[in-house]
Amino acid sequence: AQRVTQPEKLLSVFKGAPVELKCNYSYSGSPELFWYVQYSRQRLQLLLRHISRESIKGFTADLNKGETSFHLKKPFAQEEDSAMYYCALPHNQAGTALIFGKGTTLSVSS
Amino acid sequence: KAGVTQTPRYLIKTRGQQVTLSCSPISGHRSVSWYQQTPGQGLQFLFEYFSETQRNKGNFPGRFSGRQFSNSRSEMNVSTLELGDSALYLCASSLTGRRDYSYEQYFGPGTRLTVT
Repeated sequence: AQRVTQPEKLLSVFKGAPVELKCNYSYSGSPELFWYVQYSRQRLQLLLRHISRESIKGFTADLNKGETSFHLKKPFAQEEDSAMYYCALPHNQAGTALIFGKGTTLSVSS
Repeated sequence: KAGVTQTPRYLIKTRGQQVTLSCSPISGHRSVSWYQQTPGQGLQFLFEYFSETQRNKGNFPGRFSGRQFSNSRSEMNVSTLELGDSALYLCASSLTGRRDYSYEQYFGPGTRLTVT
């Protein structure tokens, strides 16, 4: 069955420190992975998807099929990065519905 | 372009009652998905509609149902409410319902349902 695991509920770092939010998955077929972010009092929104290989707001994520991981990284955290981050993959082979991990709260302090 | 809208934003219901939540997708979007968000379970997929047809369904009991209208607006209904149904219900729309570059899901603000 499709599954997304985010092992950390909370990650606290200081401003300027590197950040790595972990995501592991199980998926039958060719996976597509996403990171969604929810800032305080804002809607859940797409941060990045592995297929586009973009860097958004300084964040990158590399799909590692061998380790079934899609960790989100940023070399220097900023206070405005504080938010809830969700890793997600498709519910199945058809449609656009997603299965989400339970999320990791990132707290960046000065 | 207006974003995804959900009504009502807040609801308080009593155990045993039923409730209907509404979602209006972004204009032109044809796919609507529903999710339940709780502190303990996170975001759980309920169902997805595309062109008035239910395409996918999550692992929720039959008390949870939904539908989509010809204008792509969607409703979800929960019958015989239980205390555990208290949650934030999120709706998301996407342009085509196909997994291409218009795959991105756009989320609404949610409806906060409290069951007492």
